[in-house]
Amino acid sequence: AQSVTQLDSQVPVFEEAPVELRCNYSSSVSVYLFWYVQYPNQGLQLLLKYLSGSTLVESINGFEAEFNKSQTSFHLRKPSVHISDTAEYFCAVSEVDSSYKLIFGSGTRLLVRP
Amino acid sequence: DGGITQSPKYLFRKEGQNVTLSCEQNLNHDAMYWYRQDPGQGLRLIYYSQIVNDFQKGDIAEGYSVSREKKESFPLTVTSAQKNPTAFYLCASNPGYKNSPLHFGNGTRLTVT
Repeated sequence: AQSVTQLDSQVPVFEEAPVELRCNYSSSVSVYLFWYVQYPNQGLQLLLKYLSGSTLVESINGFEAEFNKSQTSFHLRKPSVHISDTAEYFCAVSEVDSSYKLIFGSGTRLLVRP
Repeated sequence: DGGITQSPKYLFRKEGQNVTLSCEQNLNHDAMYWYRQDPGQGLRLIYYSQIVNDFQKGDIAEGYSVSREKKESFPLTVTSAQKNPTAFYLCASNPGYKNSPLHFGNGTRLTVT
């Protein structure tokens, strides 16, 4: 069965510092991978996705994630964070043959300090 | 603007009462989903519907019921059989084809005392 592990429940970082949010998944078949962001008391918004092709995917606000098949990872990175990046980030995976079902990780709270 | 509307934002109920959470979308999406979010546990799938008049149980369907009489609407009823109903409930939709990401509503926070 597929599963998603986000080992860090909270990541504190200073403004303008780089950050990496880790995501590892477990699946015996090909997968699609997603990162979602959730601001307080709101729903989730898609940040970026890997479907196929280039293993490095980018978002419009400076985040990027790299699909590493051998390590079954999809870590999220940003070279310089802003206060406004403070939010909870969820990694999610769906199997290519049954992509109606999205499995979410437990989330990582990114706390950016001035 | 197209989107998903969940109402109300906050809901309070007494234990033993059924309560229905509303979810409406104007994105013309075929598929709709209900997730439950608890602190530190991520999102867990309650029910999903890929087409009108059809729906399937997710991972934690016990104590919940849904209907899908219209494409735009997917209400969730939290019944008195749900042992721990206090949570943040999120409705989502997508076009239904493979690899299409989910669009989420802003959620309903249900508190049962």
